[in-house]
Amino acid sequence: AQSVTQPDIHITVSEGASLELRCNYSYGATPYLFWYVQSPGQGLQLLLKYFSGDTLVQGIKGFEAEFKRSQSSFNLRKPSVHWSDAAEYFCAVGRPQAGTALIFGKGTTLSVSS
Amino acid sequence: EAGVVQSPRYKIIEKKQPVAFWCNPISGHNTLYWYLQNLGQGPELLIRYENEEAVDDSQLPKDRFSAERLKGVDSTLKIQPAELGDSAVYLCASSSRQGSADTQYFGPGTRLTVL
Repeated sequence: AQSVTQPDIHITVSEGASLELRCNYSYGATPYLFWYVQSPGQGLQLLLKYFSGDTLVQGIKGFEAEFKRSQSSFNLRKPSVHWSDAAEYFCAVGRPQAGTALIFGKGTTLSVSS
Repeated sequence: EAGVVQSPRYKIIEKKQPVAFWCNPISGHNTLYWYLQNLGQGPELLIRYENEEAVDDSQLPKDRFSAERLKGVDSTLKIQPAELGDSAVYLCASSSRQGSADTQYFGPGTRLTVL
């Protein structure tokens, strides 16, 4: 069965420090992978996605993620965190067939300290 | 380009009352999804539409939940009667095809509180 694990429920990072949010997936073939961000009271905004090709993908707001097939991971990174990055982050996996539902992790809440 | 629109944003009802949520997807998106997001959890699919057809409703509790997408554009999700455990955020998403893959775009959600 497909599943996504985000091991860290809550992370606190100092403003200006680097960030890495972990995501591991279980899937029988190459998945389509996504990171979404959700601010309080808001819907999910797409940060970046991986379908194929270069395993390092760039997204919006200075985020990037790296697909590592051998580790079944798709970790999200940002070199310097801003206070406005405080939010909840969700990793998701989709099947290669277009139009199928996403399987989400339980999310990681990011707090940014000054 | 307008994003996915949902209304209402918030709804408070008494248990056993009916409630309906409305979603207008991004123009031109044929695939529409309803997800349920419980507190502290990631979204989970309730139902997926391809145009007017519900192609995946296996997770929809059909005894009290219903959905429709009559003209292949807007969609309505209904709960009747609502139970305390239905308190959650109901998210609508739509997607476009990019070759063999698609990207889902989400609306702001409807936060339902059942008292």
